[in-house]
Amino acid sequence: DTGVSQDPRHKITKRGQNVTFRCDPISEHNRLYWYRQTLGQGPEFLTYFQNEAQLEKSRLLSDRFSAERPKGSFSTLEIQRTEQGDSAMYLCASSGERTITDTQYFGPGTRLTVL
Amino acid sequence: DAKTTQPTSMDCAEGRAANLPCNHSTISGNEYVYWYRQIHSQGPQYIIHGLKNNETNEMASLIITEDRKSSTLILPHATLRDTAVYYCIVLPSGSARQLTFGSGTQLTVLP
Repeated sequence: DTGVSQDPRHKITKRGQNVTFRCDPISEHNRLYWYRQTLGQGPEFLTYFQNEAQLEKSRLLSDRFSAERPKGSFSTLEIQRTEQGDSAMYLCASSGERTITDTQYFGPGTRLTVL
Repeated sequence: DAKTTQPTSMDCAEGRAANLPCNHSTISGNEYVYWYRQIHSQGPQYIIHGLKNNETNEMASLIITEDRKSSTLILPHATLRDTAVYYCIVLPSGSARQLTFGSGTQLTVLP
């Protein structure tokens, strides 16, 4: 257990529905990342927050995707009008060590299945 | 960020050392070598990282060649629970950066 938690762990939804995932980072970490992983591939970066500010977004993050971190603590990732291609594992990571390196620690992921 | 090359798969006998290689020939002077692993259906797990000196922690050892163009992750006494995909990632020091995962090495520890 890294201290990063994600909820739910599994989500099954029908195409066209909206879904929201939550990530609770390690409490003292100010940086939070979202990644997506499809079957057989390594995780791919989606977006990154430092405190409450969303500083970087991947081109993978289409306009149906939105992420927030309102108080610089937990974060939510919402997918609107889900498509079958959105089926994947959604991973959250956090970091914030006050050292020259900045190790990211991952949560267990949320597995999304869009029917 | 520098690109890494890893073998697609490796087997190791339980109890023996597992040596996982990684090539990063275009690594820059300020880039660290990170290793993560991912057990099936779980999130990636941080293992170890290093710049140019060899590193050891409770999980593994990291050996980086003097020219820093390659490295080896060593699991000294592999167990069945070490079966996972192992990712070698090169990342600059300093400000936060996204991790770029390649395909990794599927390590299978055999009984």
